[in-house]
Amino acid sequence: GQQLNQSPQSMFIQEGEDVSMNCTSSSIFNTWLWYKQDPGEGPVLLIALYKAGELTSNGRLTAQFGITRKDSFLNISASIPSDVGIYFCAGPGGSNYKLTFGKGTLLTVNP
Amino acid sequence: NAGVTQTPKFRVLKTGQSMTLLCAQDMNHEYMYWYRQDPGMGLRLIHYSVGEGTTAKGEVPDGYNVSRLKKQNFLLGLESAAPSQTSVYFCASSWSGTPYEQYFGPGTRLTVT
Repeated sequence: GQQLNQSPQSMFIQEGEDVSMNCTSSSIFNTWLWYKQDPGEGPVLLIALYKAGELTSNGRLTAQFGITRKDSFLNISASIPSDVGIYFCAGPGGSNYKLTFGKGTLLTVNP
Repeated sequence: NAGVTQTPKFRVLKTGQSMTLLCAQDMNHEYMYWYRQDPGMGLRLIHYSVGEGTTAKGEVPDGYNVSRLKKQNFLLGLESAAPSQTSVYFCASSWSGTPYEQYFGPGTRLTVT
């Protein structure tokens, strides 16, 4: 099946710092998605990318669909305490409708 | 607009007991999904449905059954619970035009002793 590798596994940063995380796939994807999960909640979609090279922003978040179609990047600028959570990348799971998720990047922001 | 709701929020079962988790969505989405989330494993798809009356197996379907009798509801059943099914279960739904843009419920934390 599809494999997604996220890095780093965890990050500890100071409020106000910028954050970068990435996700790589063992195969080519035609869609990349980034979700965030707050403690005790379900994942929430942040950004969806549908075209290689695409750069999309959602507030302080920016995500890019890698040119090789095997990777994607998420950047958070000027982090704030409510950015704390687990960030998951996801992509098509080998057939229609199914998503494969990475194992997540745990972000901690120190105020 | 409640989005995706799940009941119950918490449940403790003894090995061998059965239970049903209920998922409801009010967004008129065609597709619905059940995932489980375990520490260090991310989210894994158990079963999914692309429409009323249809279901299909996901990545980890063994030990679970599902039914989609109404478009807005998707039920996940455990016939004989095992400790390995201790997990957090999430339901999700999506529109058929953007199937990967999934909306998740708040989760059900299940412990099997």
